[in-house]
Amino acid sequence: EPEVTQTPSHQVTQMGQEVILRCVPISNHLYFYWYRQILGQKVEFLVSFYNNEISEKSEIFDDQFSVERPDGSNFTLKIRSTKLEDSAMYFCASSEARSSVDTGELFFGEGSRLTVL
Amino acid sequence: KNEVEQSPQNLTAQEGEFITINCSYSVGISALHWLQQHPGGGIVSLFMLSSGKKKHGRLIATINIQEKHSSLHITASHPRDSAVYICAVKPNTGNQFYFGTGTSLTVIP
Repeated sequence: EPEVTQTPSHQVTQMGQEVILRCVPISNHLYFYWYRQILGQKVEFLVSFYNNEISEKSEIFDDQFSVERPDGSNFTLKIRSTKLEDSAMYFCASSEARSSVDTGELFFGEGSRLTVL
Repeated sequence: KNEVEQSPQNLTAQEGEFITINCSYSVGISALHWLQQHPGGGIVSLFMLSSGKKKHGRLIATINIQEKHSSLHITASHPRDSAVYICAVKPNTGNQFYFGTGTSLTVIP
């Protein structure tokens, strides 16, 4: 069964360092998402990506964050200068939605746990 | 702003019990997701629905669009059902989902 894969599963970094989290969405999906979950809190939307550009982003997704689809399979989230409050589980998801008005089921990766010291 | 409320926050049940988890939201939606999150953190989609009712094995999900409410039912609950169950809604505008805080279910043998 196709699945969304994420790497690394856990990353520890020093405050101020750059971090790149990687995701391989399901191959025929067109919508990609990053969500985050701070320990003990609810899942929060960061950004959606469609047709090689950002479709929507939340207030959390400030200039420190960026996303990229560098090739046909990977979807990355970069945090330029990590802060302590960036410590969270980051989930990548992809959707079978075919357009901005379509609704597709979300398929999640296992998550990447980021710890900023 | 869309609010997604779940109840109860925590639920402990004996094996075999019938379980209901509720989700209420504040805006018009095009779809609602029920998701399961295991202690390791991974999130699995259980259902996506926009009207009526869906059934998969021992799980049943219902939604009432007019009342902005959905329920997830688990029949003949089992310890392996222990997890956090999350409701997420997709408003009529935009392509993102808003998540509830989750219901932590523990099923005791």
